[in-house]
Amino acid sequence: QVQLQESGPGLVKPSETLSLTCTVSGYSISSGYYWGWIRQPPGKGLEWIGSIYHSGTTDYNPSLKSRVTISVDTSKNQFSLKLSSVTAADTAVYYCVRGGGFDYWGQGTLVTVSS
Amino acid sequence: DIVMTQTPLSLSVTPGQPASISCQSSQSLLHSDGKTYLYWFLQRPGQPPQLLIYGVSKRFSGVPDRFSGSGSGTDFTLKISRVEAEDAGVYYCMQRKQRSTFGGGTKVEIK
Repeated sequence: QVQLQESGPGLVKPSETLSLTCTVSGYSISSGYYWGWIRQPPGKGLEWIGSIYHSGTTDYNPSLKSRVTISVDTSKNQFSLKLSSVTAADTAVYYCVRGGGFDYWGQGTLVTVSS
Repeated sequence: DIVMTQTPLSLSVTPGQPASISCQSSQSLLHSDGKTYLYWFLQRPGQPPQLLIYGVSKRFSGVPDRFSGSGSGTDFTLKISRVEAEDAGVYYCMQRKQRSTFGGGTKVEIK
């Protein structure tokens, strides 16, 4: 059974960098698929942030591209998200997902941007 | 960007009755590879979204056959043949022809 689990700080100060890691179990990242991040502000809809292939090829939401970096560590079966220069508008539940069709999701982690 | 528009915003359904949600895209989702990259998700309260339908009409593993998807081009529909209590939540359509964008969601309430 494929499982994804997000981890990282739940509180980030404005202008700093949000960093999250997704640990995958039940499937080897190096075997294939894109791996991505999606966020959901409280009470709002879903926004795709970006994805990475196991080879390291990335694709980002144009609206966030200048601030986003997604990387993969196949040795740890993890991939990570960095979002720089955060503001209150980046407060959201962040989900990690598998594939372009998002067939498996982590439980999500709430990240609040506040001083 | 491809904009996805869902209707209605919400609906209230009696158990055992059918339900239908529409999703319209701002441009055709038919890719040059011949596939149409339209997906449906259900997000139950307090839970992450779960994939229901991919490729317009294919049910994901474990999804009950009361859920069906249809459509082509820019107009798509998710139908629930007989709504059950566990079907309550917010339904989202999503396109993946050009990166990924989601519809605004349709909240389904069970009477």
